[in-house]
Amino acid sequence: EVHLVESGGGLVKPGGSLRLSCAASGFTFWTYTMSWVRQAPGRGLEWVSSISSGSTYIYYPDSLKGRFTISRDNAKNSLYLQLNSLRAEDTAVYYCARGSPDLLEYWGQGTLVTVSP
Amino acid sequence: QSALTQPPSASGSPGQSVTISCTGTSSDVDGYYYVSWYQQHPGKAPKLMIYEVNKRPSGVPDRFSASKSGNTASLTVSGLQAEDEAHYYCASDAGTNNYVFGTGTKVTVL
Repeated sequence: EVHLVESGGGLVKPGGSLRLSCAASGFTFWTYTMSWVRQAPGRGLEWVSSISSGSTYIYYPDSLKGRFTISRDNAKNSLYLQLNSLRAEDTAVYYCARGSPDLLEYWGQGTLVTVSP
Repeated sequence: QSALTQPPSASGSPGQSVTISCTGTSSDVDGYYYVSWYQQHPGKAPKLMIYEVNKRPSGVPDRFSASKSGNTASLTVSGLQAEDEAHYYCASDAGTNNYVFGTGTKVTVL
């Protein structure tokens, strides 16, 4: 059974940083593209980033380029998202998901990031 | 990249059908065959319901169907059941390694 478990969320001050992690199990992690999607409180889904199976291809929406960095460690079956220069509007639940946004087959339960003074 | 446009809400009685639209542009919905739909219940993670415009993953009831015409994709839920009450989001490939979600539609079963 596929499991994706996010961690690393929490309360951070504006301008601060956080590193989110996603532990994957139940499938051959190293063969799949992985993505992060976020959802601000009471709002819709927003694609944050995707990374190919071997980390060759990394994608972000233009609006988030430069502050967030996606990475993965296939030896550890883990996906990461480094969040820098955080702003209040980055407050959201961050989901790890298997695939790219046009086909996100499995999702974790999310980790909440709150940016507040 | 702007979010795809969905109606904020839709509703139907049990057993009826409801159709949700997802309107984009020639740069996303109309330009690619990679449109998907996700269902999200309150406090839960989204669930893939449709991919590649009209394909259903294993385990998704055939009450869920979808199509695309031009820059508008549509999801139809037939034979509405109480458990279908949820938010639904479309998503589309938007080219140049870019993806966009819809604004979301709250489906209410009356």
